Amino acid sequence: AIRMTQSPSSFSASTGDRVTITCRASQGISSYLAWYQQKPGKAPKLLIYAASTLQSGVPSRFSGSGSGTDFTLTISCLQSEDFATYYCQQYYSYPPYTFGQGTKLEIK
Amino acid sequence: EVQLVESGGGLVQPGGSLRLSCAASGFTFSSYSMNWVRQAPGKGLEWVSYISSSSSTIYYADSVKGRFTISRDNAKNSLYLQMNSLRDEDTAVYYCARDFDWLLPWGQGTLVTVSS
Repeated sequence: AIRMTQSPSSFSASTGDRVTITCRASQGISSYLAWYQQKPGKAPKLLIYAASTLQSGVPSRFSGSGSGTDFTLTISCLQSEDFATYYCQQYYSYPPYTFGQGTKLEIK
Repeated sequence: EVQLVESGGGLVQPGGSLRLSCAASGFTFSSYSMNWVRQAPGKGLEWVSYISSSSSTIYYADSVKGRFTISRDNAKNSLYLQMNSLRDEDTAVYYCARDFDWLLPWGQGTLVTVSS
């Protein structure tokens, strides 16, 4: 199975900051990568698919990039509602679909 | 509005069984593959099972193979997960999710607790 590794696992930031989360695949996955946001007690919400395509209704401050093994999720100007846990998911080779371990973004 | 609503979770003893359901609405259920994904308390997301639109293709995670069975009833717009021989480590919130390769949307989840 393809292993997905996110970094950092958690970090603190302030409203207005620009933040970047990294996801690395154990083998090349082309652009077959999605990003999700999850808030406590809620289901994950799709933000980005195909590594860089923004899901309808997701604010444009979210962006994704990368291909092959290295990917990034960037939030250009953090808003209070963006403090959550973020997961990447590969769908290049399945089963199984595999997720990163998550990155928890907390308020500084 | 596309909606997925899970039900059937609860407390079960180790070795017991439980059947989860996922009711779909707002889209042509029979046209889409579906998945179950779980999340243990305080942990990350783990894909559990996949079923194609016609039920012709089914996949399971190694951790549940031989114990869980995914199925669907397109006439009832419903997805199911039959869970047998449950273990402590199966304790989790179970989500159903529509498949586009990426998962969209997800239901609100149903909590399964395996404990004596």
